[in-house]
Amino acid sequence: KAGVTQTPRYLIKTRGQQVTLSCSPISGHRSVSWYQQTPGQGLQFLFEYFSETQRNKGNFPGRFSGRQFSNSRSEMNVSTLELGDSALYLCASSLAGQNYGYTFGSGTRLTVV
Amino acid sequence: KQEVTQIPAALSVPEGENLVLNCSFTDSAIYNLQWFRQDPGKGLTSLLLIQSSQREQTSGRLNASLDKSSGRSTLYIAASQPGDSATYLCAVGRKGLTGGGNKLTFGTGTQLKVEL
Repeated sequence: KAGVTQTPRYLIKTRGQQVTLSCSPISGHRSVSWYQQTPGQGLQFLFEYFSETQRNKGNFPGRFSGRQFSNSRSEMNVSTLELGDSALYLCASSLAGQNYGYTFGSGTRLTVV
Repeated sequence: KQEVTQIPAALSVPEGENLVLNCSFTDSAIYNLQWFRQDPGKGLTSLLLIQSSQREQTSGRLNASLDKSSGRSTLYIAASQPGDSATYLCAVGRKGLTGGGNKLTFGTGTQLKVEL
């Protein structure tokens, strides 16, 4: 079966621009989470969505936002990009419930110049 | 606040050696613990998932244990191979601050190199 698909794989943006990243979860998975990975901070939780509702949010500024559609696909948006937003952004999906693990996508590598 | 620590940060071993990676966490109120591997520049590949009520899980040459009361987990890799070279991450799943969902808190990883 198809895994978690993230697009695009690579992005280069300029400071001040905004960017939208996309994530298609495994079929049947209704929970989608986003993580940011940087060499300095490691993997940090951004937000989790379930049935089009944000269930949890990490400690990131309001420039980071997301949404989930009725087909469980999710997007995250970063506005007014800063150099420090350069990172690997990972999406993960899971069957709903605490007994299930997460499956991660390959990530989107964002570089802000 | 949940904190997850992995020791050692880096490890280099000769091929064929058995090895143990360690993960510790500060809050035992967890749903589960998941071990991942990450190859350079790639996403995370799930290796093993242990529920909070379980003590261990096995998959091939991998065995993961969980001692929730002491806040520890170990990943045992038997007969290591060069293809095992990667960064290994443990992640603890628990409910988020809003009371719902399943939020993962990651350790900083152990970078493993298996040499010929």
